[in-house]
Amino acid sequence: GQNIDQPTEMTATEGAIVQINCTYQTSGFNGLFWYQQHAGEAPTFLSYNVLDGLEEKGRFSSFLSRSKGYSYLLLKELQMKDSASYLCAVSSNTGKLIFGQGTTLQVKP
Amino acid sequence: GAGVSQTPSNKVTEKGKYVELRCDPISGHTALYWYRQSLGQGPEFLIYFQGTGAADDSGLPNDRFFAVRPEGSVSTLKIQRTERGDSAVYLCASSPLGGAYPTGELFFGEGSRLTVL
Repeated sequence: GQNIDQPTEMTATEGAIVQINCTYQTSGFNGLFWYQQHAGEAPTFLSYNVLDGLEEKGRFSSFLSRSKGYSYLLLKELQMKDSASYLCAVSSNTGKLIFGQGTTLQVKP
Repeated sequence: GAGVSQTPSNKVTEKGKYVELRCDPISGHTALYWYRQSLGQGPEFLIYFQGTGAADDSGLPNDRFFAVRPEGSVSTLKIQRTERGDSAVYLCASSPLGGAYPTGELFFGEGSRLTVL
């Protein structure tokens, strides 16, 4: 089976940096994904890691350690519009994509 | 439009009734996923199609739930004898290749909000 853990809520200040952690256990692994979901909207893709290391895309970076079953999403230069839920998701060998419960990030001025 | 389309956007029904939710994926996308999401939770996997066949239906909660994709494009999620606990937002997503490869991007529709009274 698969199990994904991430914090339920986080708060950070505008302009700061925040790191959202995700740990996972899976019987097969074909990549880890981060999605952003604003309240009342559909999730949108942020990043994909299949190999160990850091993937950087603008203000957002994502890190993966397959041996530790660990990933994090790093958000730099936080803006108010970054207030959203951040979903960690793991893909199995069959293509099934399982999501964690999501981390609600609140950015304060 | 070019995105994933889901209908209806809102559905209110009574306990025990039958419901159909439709998903029209992005043209050419071979993979199609159904999820349901309750308030404050992440999307819960229901079923995944690769073409016309269900590649993985292990997330369907019980035999009241069934989904089809007869021509490899539009999919319908069918719920029989609805219960109050079925109330949720049902999300559909499509991907150009199976297994969310190579970029892993799933394109989500806006969802169908189901309320069972």
